[in-house]
Amino acid sequence: AQSVTQPDIHITVSEGASLELRCNYSYGATPYLFWYVQSPGQGLQLLLKYFSGDTLVQGIKGFEAEFKRSQSSFNLRKPSVHWSDAAEYFCAVGTGANNLFFGTGTRLTVIP
Amino acid sequence: DTAVSQTPKYLVTQMGNDKSIKCEQNLGHDTMYWYKQDSKKFLKIMFSYNNKELIINETVPNRFSPKSPDKAHLNLHINSLELGDSAVYFCASSLYLALVSELVRSQGNEQFFGPGTRLTVL
Repeated sequence: AQSVTQPDIHITVSEGASLELRCNYSYGATPYLFWYVQSPGQGLQLLLKYFSGDTLVQGIKGFEAEFKRSQSSFNLRKPSVHWSDAAEYFCAVGTGANNLFFGTGTRLTVIP
Repeated sequence: DTAVSQTPKYLVTQMGNDKSIKCEQNLGHDTMYWYKQDSKKFLKIMFSYNNKELIINETVPNRFSPKSPDKAHLNLHINSLELGDSAVYFCASSLYLALVSELVRSQGNEQFFGPGTRLTVL
């Protein structure tokens, strides 16, 4: 059965510091992988996505993620965090059955 | 302006009641969706509407009925609520119908999600 694990429930970083949010997945076939961000009171916004090709994908707002098949991971990174990045981040696996399985989310706090 | 909006944000109700959740998008999209996110954060598609036609119905109980008065609105009506219906319900829209397998390949057909409605059935 498919599953998505985000081991960090809450992360605090200083503005300008680098960021890495972890995501591990379990799925029998090649997964479709997504990262979404949800700001308070807002809907889910797609940051980036991966299915095949270059394992390092670039997204919006300066985010990138790297797919590592051997580790079943799809970690999200940003070299320099801005205060406006404070939000909740969800990793998701999409299956051919047209379902999206989301992780439990990582809440990011940015301190000045 | 909010692209996809849902009301209410929170809904607490008793078992057996009938309730509706409303969704509106101002993006001019042709397709709208309803997803259910359970306690494990699994987001599963329930319905999608394309130009007022039901396209997908993923084995959802017939107590759930989507209603689309026009392509900017897709409301979700639930009859005889059960405890297991407690979840967060997300509305979404996209320019045209996109399966998950197409979302990664397509450009410009991103799904925009609403903020969710947390339904609690007591």
